[in-house]
Amino acid sequence: DADVTQTPRNRITKTGKRIMLECSQTKGHDRMYWYRQDPGLGLRLIYYSFDVKDINKGEISDGYSVSRQAQAKFSLSLESAIPNQTALYFCATSGLQGYEQFFGPGTRLTVL
Amino acid sequence: LAKTTQPISMDSYEGQEVNITCSHNNIATNDYITWYQQFPSQGPRFIIQGYKTKVTNEVASLFIPADRKSSTLSLPRVSLSDTAVYYCLVGRYRLFSGGYNKLIFGAGTRLAVHP
Repeated sequence: DADVTQTPRNRITKTGKRIMLECSQTKGHDRMYWYRQDPGLGLRLIYYSFDVKDINKGEISDGYSVSRQAQAKFSLSLESAIPNQTALYFCATSGLQGYEQFFGPGTRLTVL
Repeated sequence: LAKTTQPISMDSYEGQEVNITCSHNNIATNDYITWYQQFPSQGPRFIIQGYKTKVTNEVASLFIPADRKSSTLSLPRVSLSDTAVYYCLVGRYRLFSGGYNKLIFGAGTRLAVHP
């Protein structure tokens, strides 16, 4: 089984809808991250969490919120989806060092 | 965080050694250099990390000169399966709380390996 899983893998939604993307990990890591990737570009950090009570904004947090339900679970929400949030979303985890991050398979989100 | 510059794309042939150079002129004392690989529709995968001189693992080597303003990822004898995007990242080690605050991914270098 994969160490970092994301659900759903693909999602098509409409403008204004609330969407939740979920991430689970079995690596026992405290640190979890959410990134988005647009076509042909690198990843941009949305939010990161160093433990259940420590959540921080990344580069592009506007329009997004997160919830760290447990050490193993980190969810990303789009409260009111808009078309320019169409992207590939990745969840990642890391140990204390942080430089080696383990990524999930990604969620492809399309907002119409 | 130091900005990185790397070639947009590179081409190579199977069996050749590939060197991808990354420039990070504003690297700070506490910064480490990390490289990731990403295949289409997959999450990035950690390749190697270093601070200075040379680091080697089973996949690649990383060369960092004394001034640390650049680094070179070396992939020995590439195969078709090495076709991917390679990202150079510079991250700061936080002395007191440990670990990186965050990693900044640029556009990366798109490597195409031909038969």
